[in-house]
Formats: sequence, structure tokens, C-alpha cells
Amino acid sequence: DTGVSQDPRHKITKRGQNVTFRCDPISEHNRLYWYRQTLGQGPEFLTYFQNEAQLEKSRLLSDRFSAERPKGSFSTLEIQRTEQGDSAMYLCASSFVAGTSGGNEQFFGPGTRLTVL
Amino acid sequence: GNSVTQMEGPVTLSEEAFLTINCTYTATGYPSLFWYVQYPGEGLQLLLKATKADDKGSNKGFEATYRKETTSFHLEKGSVQVSDSAVYFCALGTNTGNQFYFGTGTSLTVIP
Repeated sequence: DTGVSQDPRHKITKRGQNVTFRCDPISEHNRLYWYRQTLGQGPEFLTYFQNEAQLEKSRLLSDRFSAERPKGSFSTLEIQRTEQGDSAMYLCASSFVAGTSGGNEQFFGPGTRLTVL
Repeated sequence: GNSVTQMEGPVTLSEEAFLTINCTYTATGYPSLFWYVQYPGEGLQLLLKATKADDKGSNKGFEATYRKETTSFHLEKGSVQVSDSAVYFCALGTNTGNQFYFGTGTSLTVIP
């Protein structure tokens, strides 16, 4: 397994357009996370899935954002009616968590850099 | 709530100098603590972690000790190399594993 992959690596779009990003986690991982990172800041949590269930969403995830993980494997993050403020790096991470325990590191993908013109 | 406060950068050091990057946290419950590193043009990579108080994480000459009494997880390295130039992020993971809270990152440049 080569780790977490994300596609595309870069996306340039015009304001008002819809964009969709894909994340393929490490195959045996049951949790998948989406984060957003802006320049000079650390990643900020957006949402996470345990298998196919979306269990938590941040207040950062406005109604224009939607994420899915239909078969508990890959995930997509869609942004509708993009705004210039959506320009950021979108990071995906995965981990394996047994039950409700924590302490497991998250493995990050390379990110998708979105530029909204 | 949960949060991480990290030493602001950028930090510039000469090769073989001693490195400390400060990280303090606020948490509910019993978090795990992590340091991630981001090399230029690459994604975040786990550098080290500690899952309970007094644990010491170490990797590649870097160390950090989970200090509950001072709510700190400072990163140290005795002798930095040019190849250590990167951005370092301190992160807190909740005991339910649902999300990480990251600091703002500290950019390190090591000059020969």
C-alpha cells in the first residue's frame, strides 16, 4: 500500500463553479478525515467518517460543502458555488481506530490545492 | 475545549545547533500528543507521538515528553541538520480519536 492518495493535486476554478475532490485512504483504515489548511496555519478539521458513516462535521463545513464515503473506502468532498475564501489546501487523512479509543496517528495524503479565481 | 499553542517562527539555526520548539495544549479528557513534519512540497508526516503523561516520543534524533503538569509537549533535537529544514506542527488527538487539533506550525531553516 502506498499510503493516502488524493486527486487532483491542484484545482483552479472560477467563482461559482462546483468542484469535487477524491481521497483514497490506506486500505485497512476504518476512519477517514478531511481537513483544510490555509497559508501559515495548521490543518483545521472539517469532517470524519467511520467506515461509511459520517460521524462529525465542523462548523467550518458550510451547506455548500458535502462529503461522502459510500462504500467505506474512498471519499469525495464537493464544494458547490465556490467562493474565493474556499481557496486552501484540502487534506485527507486516515487511521485505524478500534472501538472508541484514540491515540492512533492519522496518515495524511499530499493534499489538493484549490484556487478560486 | 481542546487547543494547541505553538511557538511562532520562523526559526533559523546553524547546523549542529540545539533545537527547541515549544508546544502547550488545553484539553478535556486524556489526549494523545503528536509532532508532524511537513517538508517543502510534501504532505504531513508523523514525526513522533506520546499517548499518556510522562511518555517520551522519539524519532530521527527528535524527542518530546508529554508533561501533564505543565500541559506541554516541547520538541527538541540536540544537533540539527540542513535536512531538518521543514515546518513542524504540534497536534492533539482526543481520546475518542475523532479529530486532531493542530498548532499553527513552526518553520525551521537550518543553514550550513
